[in-house]
This record gives sequence, structure tokens and C-alpha cells, in this order.
Amino acid sequence: QQQVKQSPQSLIVQKGGISIINCAYENTAFDYFPWYQQFPGKGPALLIAIRPDVSEKKEGRFTISFNKSAKQFSLHIMDSQPGDSATYFCAASMNTGNQFYFGTGTSLTVIP
Amino acid sequence: DGGITQSPKYLFRKEGQNVTLSCEQNLNHDAMYWYRQDPGQGLRLIYYSQIVNDFQKGDIAEGYSVSREKKESFPLTVTSAQKNPTAFYLCASSPMIEPGELFFGEGSRLTVL
Repeated sequence: QQQVKQSPQSLIVQKGGISIINCAYENTAFDYFPWYQQFPGKGPALLIAIRPDVSEKKEGRFTISFNKSAKQFSLHIMDSQPGDSATYFCAASMNTGNQFYFGTGTSLTVIP
Repeated sequence: DGGITQSPKYLFRKEGQNVTLSCEQNLNHDAMYWYRQDPGQGLRLIYYSQIVNDFQKGDIAEGYSVSREKKESFPLTVTSAQKNPTAFYLCASSPMIEPGELFFGEGSRLTVL
């Protein structure tokens, strides 16, 4: 059973456009929601993360929007660049156990 | 430089052979993890360890084994019992603080012929 559901599976965006990736979860015990960025042949790296006590977090061109009542969170990449082309994973974890549950990933391609 | 080192990066093995993937970290993290990555399936947890000499099964532990004899090392053995071992394997570590960021190695790609 997939604890975190991610969509879309792939995304193509023009340079300068906005990329939006969505995730949904069921377990209300989750209290930490990171996004990871992975380039081909590399391990994922933390991009940005949010706790459920805030509805939005912004770091540069990357923003997480969090909707606690809908149990959904999304990643917005503003002014998307070709260098942003990568696979993005959302994840969720809870205070106990230090376990992380990952979405299935979104392959983003930004066309010049 | 602090980080996680996985080796080998690429590995080819014949069916029926056990293989061991190495994972070493010098971040002084207590927790270490092994994930398997397959196209379209995201990252699935194989095993994790929060302390030396202790580890727990993840969602897909069947056909795998691990050991944690030292804080900095968490090797993964893919046994012949694993039915579909060809995959990209990722090792990660995190500090035992909340929330703990996961730090990943660069992965090991195992191909079973």
C-alpha cells in the first residue's frame, strides 16, 4: 500500500514556466514532508521540507504548499530552468521510528 | 569531506550468487537505511538501523540481509533468495533528531545476468 501518492509521473515544462508536482497522504501521524531532487545516476538530495504547522514554505524558486485538511502537499518550481530537469520525490515521516515513506517520483523535463 | 560512500557503483552477477553492497558514512549519524529504486516505483525501504547491532526490516526485506557491527558501516547482502535483484540500491543515513534529514549515497546499480 502506497503511503504517499505522487502525481504526475512525468512533466514537461517550457523554460520560465511553473512546474507543479502534487502529493497526497492518508496517515495523519506524518509530521514532516520533504522533497528530494535526484539527477540521473545520483542519489536523491533534500530540496526543501515543511512541517504541518505552516501552509507554505519558500526557498528561492521552490515553494511547498501544504493543505493539512486535504492531506495534500505540492511542490512549485517557479521560472523553471533546464537545470531543474531531474526526478522529484515527495516523502513523509513521523516523529517516531525515523522512517520515511516516498512517493513514486516525477520526472521533470524543462525544455529550453 | 563528510558523506556516504557506496561501492561498487556498478555490479554484475550471475543468477544464484549472493552479492554484498558496501555503505560507509563519516557523518556520525546513528540511523542508516537501505532503499531499492525501480522505475515508476519510487524508493522502497529494505532495512534500517537506528543503533549498532540492531536493525529492522522495511517493506521489502525478503531476500536481503544486513549487519550493523560499526556505527559507520551498514552493508547489504542481496541473497540468491531475492527473486528480482536487478535494481538501483541507495544507502542513506540520518541523525537521530526530529526531523532527521536523509543523506543519500550515490547508489549501486546491480545487474543480475
